[in-house]
Amino acid sequence: DQQVKQNSPSLSVQEGRISILNCDYTNSMFDYFLWYKKYPAEGPTFLISISSIKDKNEDGRFTVFLNKSAKHLSLHIVPSQPGDSAVYFCAASGNNFNKFYFGSGTKLNVKP
Amino acid sequence: NAGVMQNPRHLVRRRGQEARLRCSPVKGHSHVYWYRQLPEEGLKFMVYLQKENIIDESGMPKERFSAEFPKEGPSILRIQQVVRGDSAAYFCASSPPPRSVSSYNEQFFGPGTRLTVL
Repeated sequence: DQQVKQNSPSLSVQEGRISILNCDYTNSMFDYFLWYKKYPAEGPTFLISISSIKDKNEDGRFTVFLNKSAKHLSLHIVPSQPGDSAVYFCAASGNNFNKFYFGSGTKLNVKP
Repeated sequence: NAGVMQNPRHLVRRRGQEARLRCSPVKGHSHVYWYRQLPEEGLKFMVYLQKENIIDESGMPKERFSAEFPKEGPSILRIQQVVRGDSAAYFCASSPPPRSVSSYNEQFFGPGTRLTVL
């Protein structure tokens, strides 16, 4: 049962343009959403999060948008840089944070 | 400023052998999560532990898998009688004690152990 889905396995974007990574979830009880970035042979690194009481959270070049009615969140990276090339995972949790559900990841390639 | 350490980084086992994966959390962190990542898939939650206590093991297979986080020493994920389907990357993440029941503390991930079962 895939409760968090990332339907785009890969995305290619030109340097300086916007990258938009999408994530859908099925469980309306999810309360907290996160994005992680992962380089090969390394563990995921936390990027940005949003709680269900908000619809937007911004941190520098990274903005996460949450649409609860559509059970959809997205990560915007503006402007994209070659160093952003990595696999991005979205994750979700209920309000006790005992368990996190991850999507299958989107591989972002930012071309110079 | 040591982060989460996992060892070994690579582990090769033959079918039927035991695999022991170790995770040393960030100093001061009392909680550990274990995840498994199969090829081309996302991370799948296995177990959430605090020292000397399993909080949530709903993602653990019912047989052959066990996890512990003793008062002293690293957290251990143990897989008995490994099969080829156990081949995967296993990640642990540590976090500090929760500030409250409903507050999130960031998870810090280790680099993973890649298990190959021949």
